[in-house]
Amino acid sequence: EAGVAQSPRYKIIEKRQSVAFWCNPISGHATLYWYQQILGQGPKLLIQFQNNGVVDDSQLPKDRFSAERLKGVDSTLKIQPAKLEDSAVYLCASSSLRTSGRPINEQFFGPGTRLTVL
Amino acid sequence: AQKITQTQPGMFVQEKEAVTLDCTYDTSDPSYGLFWYKQPSSGEMIFLIYQGSYDQQNATEGRYSLNFQKARKSANLVISASQLGDSAMYFCAMRGFTNKLIFGTGTLLAVQP
Repeated sequence: EAGVAQSPRYKIIEKRQSVAFWCNPISGHATLYWYQQILGQGPKLLIQFQNNGVVDDSQLPKDRFSAERLKGVDSTLKIQPAKLEDSAVYLCASSSLRTSGRPINEQFFGPGTRLTVL
Repeated sequence: AQKITQTQPGMFVQEKEAVTLDCTYDTSDPSYGLFWYKQPSSGEMIFLIYQGSYDQQNATEGRYSLNFQKARKSANLVISASQLGDSAMYFCAMRGFTNKLIFGTGTLLAVQP
């Protein structure tokens, strides 16, 4: 089966500009996650969707970050305006509640988008 | 609050030898899961192994095994017969009641020929 797709893979912008990232999860996965991974750190959850509803956005800087998953499939994460400290890799992941012999809600990650803010 | 601690920023291991990557955790949830992910230089997070808090036996997946010591709140990853392709960042993560994954800071493993 196809994995989690993300685009673009790399993005360089200047501070105060806007940027958007796109994610297409594994087919049939109801849960979608956006993580921010700053260099030298582990990923930090920004927002979690269950179908098209938000489950957890407690660590999303809502003054500049927004995310949507309108049809319960693909998702867009936007930053407006960007700051220098937003430079990071943005990872999208998806999971399914079906067990199929694997951990429930095992998360499958996409390749990430590396954002550089100058 | 949940917390994952990985105290080894970097590790070296000779090819074909075994290596242990340390992970300790803190949680008040009665039920939780522990994961290890590998992140090569390409950036993608690759799932390696999972241990449930109520699992009686330590998890194993091929060359990976998880040394789970619940009383000590540790979940160390053991990689046997290291290969050059094992060189990567390794992250320990915990999922608790909220289903959110909390990651440690990672350990960079370098396998030397």
